[in-house]
Amino acid sequence: EAGVAQSPRYKIIEKRQSVAFWCNPISGHATLYWYQQILGQGPKLLIQFQNNGVVDDSQLPKDRFSAERLKGVDSTLKIQPAKLEDSAVYLCASSETGLNSPLHFGNGTRLTVT
Amino acid sequence: SQQGEEDPQALSIQEGENATMNCSYKTSINNLQWYRQNSGRGLVHLILIRSNEREKHSGRLRVTLDTSKKSSSLLITASRAADTASYFCATATSGTYKYIFGTGTRLKVLA
Repeated sequence: EAGVAQSPRYKIIEKRQSVAFWCNPISGHATLYWYQQILGQGPKLLIQFQNNGVVDDSQLPKDRFSAERLKGVDSTLKIQPAKLEDSAVYLCASSETGLNSPLHFGNGTRLTVT
Repeated sequence: SQQGEEDPQALSIQEGENATMNCSYKTSINNLQWYRQNSGRGLVHLILIRSNEREKHSGRLRVTLDTSKKSSSLLITASRAADTASYFCATATSGTYKYIFGTGTRLKVLA
């Protein structure tokens, strides 16, 4: 089966600019996650979708971050305006419905804010 | 907030030796999962142990779970240079799908 696809692979922007990341999950996976991973740390959950509805966005900085999952498939994560501390790898993951389903991750987008 | 905390933070061993890393968590869970992350890549699922299981094996991996102590351990036997990576545990509070990852153990296997 095809894995989770993410693009772009790398992105460099200046602070206060905007940026968007795209994720295509594994076909049939109802649950989609966006994680932020700062260098040397574990992934931090930003937002979780079940189909096209938001299940949890408690750690999403909503003043600058937004995410959507149209038609319950692809998802985009946007940052506007970016800050220096947003430099990180943004990981998308998907899973089947079910409490004991593993997460499948894409290779991430490495964002550098200068 | 971090649900899981792994220790040690870093581990360096010789090829052929066993590597053990531990994970502690805070709440009641459905299951605990272990993932591997190679440099510059996404995380890869290794093994899932359910809350009613105490031990699970997969190839050279052995995972134990002690729900009374809220802790788990991952043992990699006969390590190889290719096992060099960061290892993370992930848990979701009972009844939720919200997976929180620990801080990770960076394993280096020397050839």
